[in-house]
Amino acid sequence: EAAVTQSPRNKVTVTGGNVTLSCRQTNSHNYMYWYRQDTGHGLRLIHYSYGAGNLQIGDVPDGYKATRTTQEDFFLLLELASPSQTSLYFCASSDAGQYEQYFGPGTRLTVL
Amino acid sequence: GDSVTQTEGPVTVSESESLIINCTYSATSIAYPNLFWYVRYPGEGLQLLLKVITAGQKGSSRGFEATYNKETTSFHLQKASVQESDSAVYYCALGRSNTNKVVFGTGTRLQVLP
Repeated sequence: EAAVTQSPRNKVTVTGGNVTLSCRQTNSHNYMYWYRQDTGHGLRLIHYSYGAGNLQIGDVPDGYKATRTTQEDFFLLLELASPSQTSLYFCASSDAGQYEQYFGPGTRLTVL
Repeated sequence: GDSVTQTEGPVTVSESESLIINCTYSATSIAYPNLFWYVRYPGEGLQLLLKVITAGQKGSSRGFEATYNKETTSFHLQKASVQESDSAVYYCALGRSNTNKVVFGTGTRLQVLP
């Protein structure tokens, strides 16, 4: 079965802190995505990638960097975390030309 | 741009009652977008519940169904008799044209009382 894993599952940091969220997929999918989920908002796309070394800007990219090191691994970087980045973060993958996405279990990030 | 609007939650129903979660969409990038319902159970990621890619068709899964209505630009989710295990957050979504990107609604939290 297709699988997307995320780590850590929970993270607490302070304002100005440096955070890296990790995502790995074993689906052999080309596309990977990072979303944030906040109350009153749908999932909002931060960054996405269609292959190793590729990065595309999503709808809410400010304050985030991302890097796709391999087909399997996609990282989200918050270099100067702010309280406004407290959220539930989801990673997902999909095949090229397919809209169906497979999601990880999420990482809850709290920035104090 | 493309957008999805769905019933604002939480929605609370008793077990064996019927359910409808409304979803309407606006698609500017594509005339007939692919439409989806995803579900997120506590502690888990989203998973696809059902999808419909052709206007006028109905999708169904686990007792849920939704019909793609292009006249009313709607894709409401219905179930005739809910179970406590259906308690979750439900997201309506559409696929943007010529991209691999999906637009999600805000999600509707459903609580089913025993």
